[in-house]
Amino acid sequence: GAVVSQHPSWVICKSGTSVKIECRSLDFQATTMFWYRQFPKQSLMLMATSNEGSKATYEQGVEKDKFLINHASLTLSTLTVTSAHPEDSSFYICSAAVAVGLAGSKETQYFGPGTRLLVL
Amino acid sequence: DQQVKQNSPSLSVQEGRISILNCDYTNSMFDYFLWYKKYPAEGPTFLISISSIKDKNEDGRFTVFLNKSAKHLSLHIVPSQPGDSAVYFCAARNRGYNKLIFGAGTRLAVHP
Repeated sequence: GAVVSQHPSWVICKSGTSVKIECRSLDFQATTMFWYRQFPKQSLMLMATSNEGSKATYEQGVEKDKFLINHASLTLSTLTVTSAHPEDSSFYICSAAVAVGLAGSKETQYFGPGTRLLVL
Repeated sequence: DQQVKQNSPSLSVQEGRISILNCDYTNSMFDYFLWYKKYPAEGPTFLISISSIKDKNEDGRFTVFLNKSAKHLSLHIVPSQPGDSAVYFCAARNRGYNKLIFGAGTRLAVHP
């Protein structure tokens, strides 16, 4: 159990276009989903926290109008990078969280496989 | 201000030996710590965790030690295997929140 998928796995787009990334929890309902980005050889930086049916909470320095997050259901969250620029090229990872770890485990966040975005 | 620090960007260990990955933190409100393993172009996979009320947790070849007074934790892998080669991230959770704060990662290379 505890599978999280992301689509697409990679995307190349032209500067100025918008890109949507989907994050789905396949076999459980997530109370919260998180979006991270990772630059090469750097840590995972939390961008925003989203709860189903409410507005996302963005971390300091993350532009909410540029990175639109929609959390339509307990199994789906989307991140839209609007008017993408080359500096937005990065590896975007989502995670889905439950209030208590599944099957008695202590893990409360389950990560997707990531989406690599390259903006030309 | 980095609340979770992994000061060693890389570590090279011979197969069969022990790998020790270190992590320091500054926030005394962290109540839960996790280690993740990550391959390039993939999401992190959970390895092992420890609650702040414990000082050791063991799972097979992986053991995590927590020293609260020093605000330090370490991950021990023994014996190390070539398949353990990856980037290892330490993460901490603030009491009452589900948000994780990650360290910068340590790249482990296990060679024959």
